Amino acid sequence: SAVISQKPSRDICQRGTSLTIQCQVDSQVTMMFWYRQQPGQSLTLIATANQGSEATYESGFVIDKFPISRPNLTFSTLTVSNLSPEDSSIYLCSISGGPGTQYFGPGTRLLVL
Amino acid sequence: AQKVTQAQTEISVVEKEDVTLDCVYETRDTTYYLFWYKQPPSGELVFLIRRNSFDEQNEISGRYSWNFQKSTSSFNFTITASQVVDSAVYFCALSGIETSGSRLTFGEGTQLTVNP
Repeated sequence: SAVISQKPSRDICQRGTSLTIQCQVDSQVTMMFWYRQQPGQSLTLIATANQGSEATYESGFVIDKFPISRPNLTFSTLTVSNLSPEDSSIYLCSISGGPGTQYFGPGTRLLVL
Repeated sequence: AQKVTQAQTEISVVEKEDVTLDCVYETRDTTYYLFWYKQPPSGELVFLIRRNSFDEQNEISGRYSWNFQKSTSSFNFTITASQVVDSAVYFCALSGIETSGSRLTFGEGTQLTVNP
């Protein structure tokens, strides 16, 4: 399966600032996904990012708060804007690896003070 | 709408015990996939297995086995002779192809602790 990397692996940010998370894949993929995992919780899909089109956001997530870029078939970024402590989570990107299957990056741990 | 329920929030066993993690799902799709993922303390999500809705054969991979029963909408995961390295959070997930494409719905996860 493809190798997925994320940067940064972890960060501590001040409230009101923004953090941009990068997701890099070692092969071309059509669909990439961004998830949030709040402490002690399950994963929640933020948005689906296809190259060449606007990201599709899930209910409860908006582009102003979570802008996503997908400039090519191997790369995507997720920005978490205007940070608050409630944004402290693990953010994971994933790629489609066959019907219904997704493979995940190592995640980015964000702590907002 | 899709739903995955993992009723066991936490399980604690002693090494070498067998342990079964339960997963019950809901979907209106006739074609769907079920998954188990492992999340060790490091945080990454490790893919363990995928099962499609037309294949009810049980699967065994080393100490891991999976029991898929459509009649009860369950996809349970058994670890035989558990080891300390099995300690992790385990997530069951569902993808209904007709209504959700490749979007995954996750259960709440089961924290498994294997004590030496």
